[in-house]
Amino acid sequence: EPEVTQTPSHQVTQMGQEVILRCVPISNHLYFYWYRQILGQKVEFLVSFYNNEISEKSEIFDDQFSVERPDGSNFTLKIRSTKLEDSAMYFCASSDPDRSHGTDTQYFGPGTRLTVL
Amino acid sequence: KQEVTQIPAALSVPEGENLVLNCSFTDSAIYNLQWFRQDPGKGLTSLLLIQSSQREQTSGRLNASLDKSSGRSTLYIAASQPGDSATYLCAVAGGTSYGKLTFGQGTILTVHP
Repeated sequence: EPEVTQTPSHQVTQMGQEVILRCVPISNHLYFYWYRQILGQKVEFLVSFYNNEISEKSEIFDDQFSVERPDGSNFTLKIRSTKLEDSAMYFCASSDPDRSHGTDTQYFGPGTRLTVL
Repeated sequence: KQEVTQIPAALSVPEGENLVLNCSFTDSAIYNLQWFRQDPGKGLTSLLLIQSSQREQTSGRLNASLDKSSGRSTLYIAASQPGDSATYLCAVAGGTSYGKLTFGQGTILTVHP
């Protein structure tokens, strides 16, 4: 069964460093998302992406964050200058919504645990 | 702003029991509602999606209902098994925000043999 994959599974970085989290969405999907989950808290929406542009972003997704689909298979989240509070599990998701039937099931990857020291 | 709440926060039951997890949301203008399962340190596995026009969905031992007007959904798990132990998350997609899912904090379920 097709699945969303993410690399790396765990990333440790120093405060102020740039990190790139990588995702390979399900191949025929058109919509891509990033969410994060700080330990012990709710899963939070960061950004959605369609047709090579951002569809929607949350207030968390400030100028330090960017997303890119550099080729036909990868979808990346870049954090330019990491802060301690960026430590979280980051989930990528994809969907192939058939909006005529409302079947917007989002399929999530296993996550990347980001630790900022 | 959409808020999603799940009750109870944790539930511990013996194997074989039927159980109900509850989810409520503040804005009834939703596009759909999804139930997920999350195992410790893992990603989210989609269990069921209910479109806003539907009242319920079933998959195996799982049945999810939706009452949009009252802002509630329930996930019913029949004949629970130890393998059902996980955190169950409810998430709603807003009426005009198709992709953005707003999550509840989850119900931690433990099914003991």
